[in-house]
Amino acid sequence: KQEVTQIPAALSVPEGENLVLNCSFTDSAIYNLQWFRQDPGKGLTSLLLIQSSQREQTSGRLNASLDKSSGRSTLYIAASQPGDSATYLCAVITGANSKLTFGKGITLSVRP
Amino acid sequence: NAGVMQNPRHLVRRRGQEARLRCSPMKGHSHVYWYRQLPEEGLKFMVYLQKENIIDESGMPKERFSAEFPKEGPSILRIQQVVRGDSAAYFCASSLGLGTNEKLFFGSGTQLSVL
Repeated sequence: KQEVTQIPAALSVPEGENLVLNCSFTDSAIYNLQWFRQDPGKGLTSLLLIQSSQREQTSGRLNASLDKSSGRSTLYIAASQPGDSATYLCAVITGANSKLTFGKGITLSVRP
Repeated sequence: NAGVMQNPRHLVRRRGQEARLRCSPMKGHSHVYWYRQLPEEGLKFMVYLQKENIIDESGMPKERFSAEFPKEGPSILRIQQVVRGDSAAYFCASSLGLGTNEKLFFGSGTQLSVL
């Protein structure tokens, strides 16, 4: 059974800092891995999707890497801003029905 | 092009009542997923539907819960005889059904509170 872990559960950093959010998964037979952002009372916004054959994806200040064999992914946020404060969720797809298995998320707070 | 629309945003029910949660997918999307987020827990898959078909309901409790996605109208997640443990945020996502590497688009969720 696939399990996704995100540690720590919460993180507080000063504005401008570069930071790395970690995600690990137990079953390396994944189709893809996705990073989402969730704001309080809002839905999820897809940030980056890395296919199983890819090593990384970039979008603006965000870079996500995938090491499928070791069951790890990282989300790198460059030059963090207070507007980046949110919960970041990692999720993987391991079945053909596109069911996502989520981690519990990392709540990020960027202090001005 | 409106995104995935869920209503109501907040729903309060007393124990034993029925809860109906609605999800209108993005325009052109015929695949819908329901997820539940319990307090302090990650999102858990419940059910995957296409128009008029349940494809995968492996994450849905066997009793009291049902889902449908009719030919016309929104997808409905129905919870009968609600209990306090059903209190959670319920999210709907939709897609075109192009395959496993297609992004899902999520709604803002329905927060169900059972008194």
